[in-house]
Amino acid sequence: GAVVSQHPSWVICKSGTSVKIECRSLDFQATTMFWYRQFPKQSLMLMATSNEGSKATYEQGVEKDKFLINHASLTLSTLTVTSAHPEDSSFYICSGARLASGYEQYFGPGTRLTVT
Amino acid sequence: DAKTTQPPSMDCAEGRAANLPCNHSTISGNEYVYWYRQIHSQGPQYIIHGLKNNETNEMASLIITEDRKSSTLILPHATLRDTAVYYCLRAQGAQKLVFGQGTRLTINP
Repeated sequence: GAVVSQHPSWVICKSGTSVKIECRSLDFQATTMFWYRQFPKQSLMLMATSNEGSKATYEQGVEKDKFLINHASLTLSTLTVTSAHPEDSSFYICSGARLASGYEQYFGPGTRLTVT
Repeated sequence: DAKTTQPPSMDCAEGRAANLPCNHSTISGNEYVYWYRQIHSQGPQYIIHGLKNNETNEMASLIITEDRKSSTLILPHATLRDTAVYYCLRAQGAQKLVFGQGTRLTINP
């Protein structure tokens, strides 16, 4: 159990366009979801924390108007990269938190975004 | 600030136990220790977590020192597929996980 999916797995878009990435928890309800990005040879960096039905909390330095996060249900969160630029090219990974003994976070497989 | 310290890299022979250390000397009483691993170009995979007792599951064992300032992840019989970057993290509740650079574990045939 505890599977998180992401769609698409990879996407190529042109500068100035917007891209939406979906994150779904398939077999559990995730009241909290997280969005990370990872540049080559670097570790994961948290972008924002999203609670179902409320506005996301963004980490310092992450533009909330550029990275739109919607967490409309307990199993779905979306990240929209608006007006994408080449420097937004990265590996975007989401996770869902499941209440267990402590919380367990389960990560999606990631989405590779390339902006040309 | 990852708040944990891990060696940047380790090697282990296939079939042997891999012991990955982690220092978290400033951990607070209600923070759990989590271990994840990331294989190239994939999302991190949950391995195990614990508060103060040692834990074991089908993937690994987690040994936490009595003072909780450090822990060791044990992969009992490492295989080539265990080659990955292993991350030790600490968090309370559904808090965000802050990733450091982790330990790059290489399993050698």
